[in-house]
Amino acid sequence: DAGVTQSPTHLIKTRGQQVTLRCSPKSGHDTVSWYQQALGQGPQFIFQYYEEEERQRGNFPDRFSGHQFPNYSSELNVNALLLGDSALYLCASSRRTGGRYSNQPQHFGDGTRLSIL
Amino acid sequence: KQEVTQIPAALSVPEGENLVLNCSFTDSAIYNLQWFRQDPGKGLTSLLLIQSSQREQTSGRLNASLDKSSGRSTLYIAASQPGDSATYLCAANLSNDYKLSFGAGTTVTVRA
Repeated sequence: DAGVTQSPTHLIKTRGQQVTLRCSPKSGHDTVSWYQQALGQGPQFIFQYYEEEERQRGNFPDRFSGHQFPNYSSELNVNALLLGDSALYLCASSRRTGGRYSNQPQHFGDGTRLSIL
Repeated sequence: KQEVTQIPAALSVPEGENLVLNCSFTDSAIYNLQWFRQDPGKGLTSLLLIQSSQREQTSGRLNASLDKSSGRSTLYIAASQPGDSATYLCAANLSNDYKLSFGAGTTVTVRA
């Protein structure tokens, strides 16, 4: 049973460039969330996708955008990269169980390490 | 806004000692609380999920408790081993929220 997979594992970009990160959720999961984790800190919520729509967004600028595909996989796009965008980007998936808010554990991938030069 | 705090930031213990990791949260209206393990440069591995209606959850050597009234959760790891060395993060999910609010983690070193 494949878990959450993310690609690429590492990425180096320069300021002003654009980047796309990809995530395939765990089998049976339909909800995907993205988090940013700076060194030495806990992950910060970027947004969550369900049924191909952004369901909730954290405190991140519009440079951060996403998409969810019919097969539940997801992409995170970041435009006009800044030095401060250097971080580990984590994707998490979960399964909606009928209630409005899922009471199922979220499962994380190994992340994409993004370095901005 | 949910604030989650983990103290201490780092902990070093000899092998065999029991570990006690603390997590505090400011909003008692949580839906559930999840504990994760993170190895250096890696993603998060889910350890335990405690629903708001539960007081504790156990898996092998791990036991997590939840006290909503005091805004605390504790992760106990019995008979620690060098392989338990990692950063442990707790994350709270509020009742009217989709996101997880994380603490900064406690980095544990178990000395052989």
